[in-house]
Amino acid sequence: DQQVKQNSPSLSVQEGRISILNCDYTNSMFDYFLWYKKYPAEGPTFLISISSIKDKNEDGRFTVFLNKSAKHLSLHIVPSQPGDSAVYFCALITPNTGKLIFGQGTTLQVKP
Amino acid sequence: EAGVAQSPRYKIIEKRQSVAFWCNPISGHATLYWYQQILGQGPKLLIQFQNNGVVDDSQLPKDRFSAERLKGVDSTLKIQPAKLEDSAVYLCASSFPDTRFSGNTIYFGEGSWLTVV
Repeated sequence: DQQVKQNSPSLSVQEGRISILNCDYTNSMFDYFLWYKKYPAEGPTFLISISSIKDKNEDGRFTVFLNKSAKHLSLHIVPSQPGDSAVYFCALITPNTGKLIFGQGTTLQVKP
Repeated sequence: EAGVAQSPRYKIIEKRQSVAFWCNPISGHATLYWYQQILGQGPKLLIQFQNNGVVDDSQLPKDRFSAERLKGVDSTLKIQPAKLEDSAVYLCASSFPDTRFSGNTIYFGEGSWLTVV
């Protein structure tokens, strides 16, 4: 039972353009959503999060959008840079324990 | 500040052999997690400790996996006997305990890569 789905295994964009990564979830009980970034041979690192009381959160080049009615969130990276090339995981968090439920990940390649 | 330390980084074993992974969390972090990441999938929680007590081990295959956290600091994850499907990256993470966890307070180690042949 996949609670978090990232349906695009990979995405390739040109440097300077926008990258849009998508994520769908099934359980409405969660109220906090996150994106993690993972480089090869490294552990995931926290990128950005959003609470269910918001529909947008912005941090520099990174913006996360939440559509609760559609149970969908997306990560926008503008402008994309070659250093953004990594695997991006969408995750839900159980706030009282810190348990993370991850999607399958999307590999982003930003071409110079 | 030192990060989450894991060892060994890479391990190749034959099926039915045993293996152990070690994790040293960030100093002062009472909460410790072990995640399993199979290639092409997202990390999946195996076990969560609060100090040296188990909070969640619902997805730990207890017939072959075991974990302990002595003295509430370091932790060891053991697999015995290993199966081919155990080939994965084993990620350790740690966090301060909080009344409300948020993702930016959870820190992951670099992972231990296991190949079972």
